[in-house]
Amino acid sequence: AQKVTQAQTEISVVEKEDVTLDCVYETRDTTYYLFWYKQPPSGELVFLIRRNSFDEQNEISGRYSWNFQKSTSSFNFTITASQVVDSAVYFCALLRHNDYKLSFGAGTTVTVRA
Amino acid sequence: GAVVSQHPSRVICKSGTSVKIECRSLDFQATTMFWYRQFPKQSLMLMATSNEGSKATYEQGVEKDKFLINHASLTLSTLTVTSAHPEDSSFYICSADLGGETQYFGPGTRLLVL
Repeated sequence: AQKVTQAQTEISVVEKEDVTLDCVYETRDTTYYLFWYKQPPSGELVFLIRRNSFDEQNEISGRYSWNFQKSTSSFNFTITASQVVDSAVYFCALLRHNDYKLSFGAGTTVTVRA
Repeated sequence: GAVVSQHPSRVICKSGTSVKIECRSLDFQATTMFWYRQFPKQSLMLMATSNEGSKATYEQGVEKDKFLINHASLTLSTLTVTSAHPEDSSFYICSADLGGETQYFGPGTRLLVL
């Protein structure tokens, strides 16, 4: 069975602070994919990143960075110098390679205050 | 990038009526589409997998006779909520698989059953 755990329900920060969102996953598959999505108040899911299980390189994209560690089954996401526009719900998700079904974590609500 | 649309974006209906939601891949063909449901402040839950030309596969606990899915072409899948009741009020989101490991999500449909 697959499971994605986002232990942080809500995080509130002041603008320009860094914020790290935790994601821990469980799977028996050797091939899988991990994702982060952003869901602003409008509801539409915005794709942020995909990482396959064989690529443990960390990635940086602008103010966003991701740390993937298979040893601890974690795929954490950091927003550097947060901005009010970063306020949203962020979901971590795990995709099964054999049937492409996505399992979502519970989501973390990030509120960035001016 | 790949674009997925949903129609309508929001719908209000009376209890007992049926509502059809369309999901279209606008600039690519999608052999597989997925339907999710999201209750307020909760995560996305996969309802069913829709494959073009074949019957949909429903997740455990999802009533296939209540949530009718039709995937008539490679660019269109429809979800019909039959005999809707207030407890069916939710945010329904579809996604389309481009053939790789990334799903592209539609903007969602907010259903309110009175």
